[in-house]
Amino acid sequence: GAVVSQHPSRVICKSGTSVKIECRSLDFQATTMFWYRQFPKQSLMLMATSNEGSKATYEQGVEKDKFLINHASLTLSTLTVTSAHPEDSSFYICSARARDREKNYGYTFGSGTRLTVV
Amino acid sequence: KNEVEQSPQNLTAQEGEFITINCSYSVGISALHWLQQHPGGGIVSLFMLSSGKKKHGRLIATINIQEKHSSLHITASHPRDSAVYICAVELPLGNQFYFGTGTSLTVIP
Repeated sequence: GAVVSQHPSRVICKSGTSVKIECRSLDFQATTMFWYRQFPKQSLMLMATSNEGSKATYEQGVEKDKFLINHASLTLSTLTVTSAHPEDSSFYICSARARDREKNYGYTFGSGTRLTVV
Repeated sequence: KNEVEQSPQNLTAQEGEFITINCSYSVGISALHWLQQHPGGGIVSLFMLSSGKKKHGRLIATINIQEKHSSLHITASHPRDSAVYICAVELPLGNQFYFGTGTSLTVIP
């Protein structure tokens, strides 16, 4: 089945530094990649949607200059948290929509990244 | 007001029990998804439904579009089923979801 590889799974960084999270679709082409954030005991919150080769669309309240999303190819999307602060500590997870929706469930999730900013 | 409501929020069951998790939604949808989130955070897509019923192993998902309601059933529950189960609805225009807050299931041996 379709697999999205996300890494790192865990990262601890110092306040003020930047962290890059990668999501790769391993056996399909991801035309659209979604990035979510999840705080403890809360539901998934969509941060942004990116389509290959175009700028990401950010949800209201998400700072696009802080959360840089790049979707340069059909198999790779990256989320960079710039100048991270402790309040950015969260669980970040990506989801990819396959080019051919009928081949699988349509949306495949990465395994998530636990970011801790100290 | 949440567009997607799940119940119960927490559920503890004995191994072997039949489990039902419910999801109600208030918006028009193109599909409903059931997701499983493991303690480490990783998410697995279990079902995508637009009508009727689907079965995969011990898992059964049903949806009633008219009543805007879906259920996820687990037969012969096992401790490895312990996870958070999330209901998500996909809006008709696509690429947009509303998520429930999840049901935390613990199956005791």
